[in-house]
Amino acid sequence: AQTVTQSQPEMSVQEAETVTLSCTYDTSENNYYLFWYKQPPSRQMILVIRQEAYKQQNATENRFSVNFQKAAKSFSLKISDSQLGDTAMYFCAFTRFGGSQGNLIFGKGTKLSVKP
Amino acid sequence: KAGVTQTPRYLIKTRGQQVTLSCSPISGHRSVSWYQQTPGQGLQFLFEYFSETQRNKGNFPGRFSGRQFSNSRSEMNVSTLELGDSALYLCASSFDGQAFFGQGTRLTVV
Repeated sequence: AQTVTQSQPEMSVQEAETVTLSCTYDTSENNYYLFWYKQPPSRQMILVIRQEAYKQQNATENRFSVNFQKAAKSFSLKISDSQLGDTAMYFCAFTRFGGSQGNLIFGKGTKLSVKP
Repeated sequence: KAGVTQTPRYLIKTRGQQVTLSCSPISGHRSVSWYQQTPGQGLQFLFEYFSETQRNKGNFPGRFSGRQFSNSRSEMNVSTLELGDSALYLCASSFDGQAFFGQGTRLTVV
C-alpha cells in the first residue's frame, strides 16, 4: 500500500523569504504522479504543482518548485519569495499512473504561516 | 470552463438520518472521486466513479455509497448518520492525471 508522510505539522516563514516543505512516500510502483495541493481557509483545494515520476526534471511553477528524488522517495516543495497569500495548509499527494488516477493518497499536511 | 460544483455547501443532520451530497464535475471529465476530510484522520479517499461505474473504493463502511449519472454528475449517500461522520466532504473530477476539487460540503451530525 502506498503511504505519504509529511513530517512538519507546522511551519512559518517571513514574507519574501524562502521555505521548503518536506514529503516522503512509499510505493512499489514505478510510474506515478506526485502533487502538492494548497488549502487556504476557504477550504478550496488548489493544485500547486505536479510531477510525473518518469520525468527526471524537477517541476516548477513560478515561485514554486520541487526537489524530486525518486530513489529516496522524497518530494519537497520550495516556495520562493513567500507572500501572505501563501498562508495555507499544504498537502503532498500520490496517485498511480494510468487506471484509477482519481484515488489520491494524501499526507497529513503542513500548516504554513507567512508572517509580514 | 466552470469548476467542480458541490451542493449543498453546509448541512446539519441528526444521528440516524441519511444524507445525499451532489457533485457536478468539470465538463468533459468522466472521473469523479470523493474524499472525507477530518482533523483527526486527514483526507481519506471514499470512492471513484468513471463512466457510471465505481472504479475504486476506500476503506469505509457500507453506509457510504455513491453513484454517477450519464452526465458524469455524482452523488454520495451516507445512511444512518453517526456523530463521527461530521466532516468536510470533497469531490474532485480528474483528467489526464490531474484532480480538480470542489469547495466541499461541510456536514455536521448532531
